[in-house]
Amino acid sequence: SQTIHQWPATLVQPVGSPLSLECTVEGTSNPNLYWYRQAAGRGLQLLFYSVGIGQISSEVPQNLSASRPQDRQFILSSKKLLLSDSGFYLCAWSRIGQNTGELFFGEGSRLTVL
Amino acid sequence: QQQVKQSPQSLIVQKGGISIINCAYENTAFDYFPWYQQFPGKGPALLIAIRPDVSEKKEGRFTISFNKSAKQFSLHIMDSQPGDSATYFCAASKNYQLIWGAGTKLIIKP
Repeated sequence: SQTIHQWPATLVQPVGSPLSLECTVEGTSNPNLYWYRQAAGRGLQLLFYSVGIGQISSEVPQNLSASRPQDRQFILSSKKLLLSDSGFYLCAWSRIGQNTGELFFGEGSRLTVL
Repeated sequence: QQQVKQSPQSLIVQKGGISIINCAYENTAFDYFPWYQQFPGKGPALLIAIRPDVSEKKEGRFTISFNKSAKQFSLHIMDSQPGDSATYFCAASKNYQLIWGAGTKLIIKP
């Protein structure tokens, strides 16, 4: 069966510090990968998506970046965090070629920037 | 810009009642219309989805009604239970992309 792992689950970072959130998917190959951010009590904002290694599309211009060093690994990074980067970050995957709208989400990483 | 408009923003229903959440979309080229359920502190999980050539889909107490001409779809939760209390998101899917509604926070009162 397929599983998605996301870490760390919680982190508190000072403004201006770097960030690295990691996500890995097991049990499938060539997944589409996504990073979402969710502000408290708000909806889902797509940050990045990737349909293959080296193919990453950014939806929102900001100080975040994403990389996909391996087929089932997706990393969200920042060189200098802003207060506005606080939120609940969700990694998700979907099956390549499947257009049923089914995304499988990780447990999320809650980031607080102070 | 493609949008999916979801209402209401929040909803309180008595246990055993029917919860209804509505969504409207603007683009006619979507392939699927899924609904996701999210509990606090967790990632969303797919609840039920419908294709645009189907007018209704039922899974247990959850039903999607789809009106293609009106570009509207809705989620009905029959016999609502306290365990259904969560945030619900509708979405519209095209290829590998989802356009999300803003979410509805549903509270079921015992």
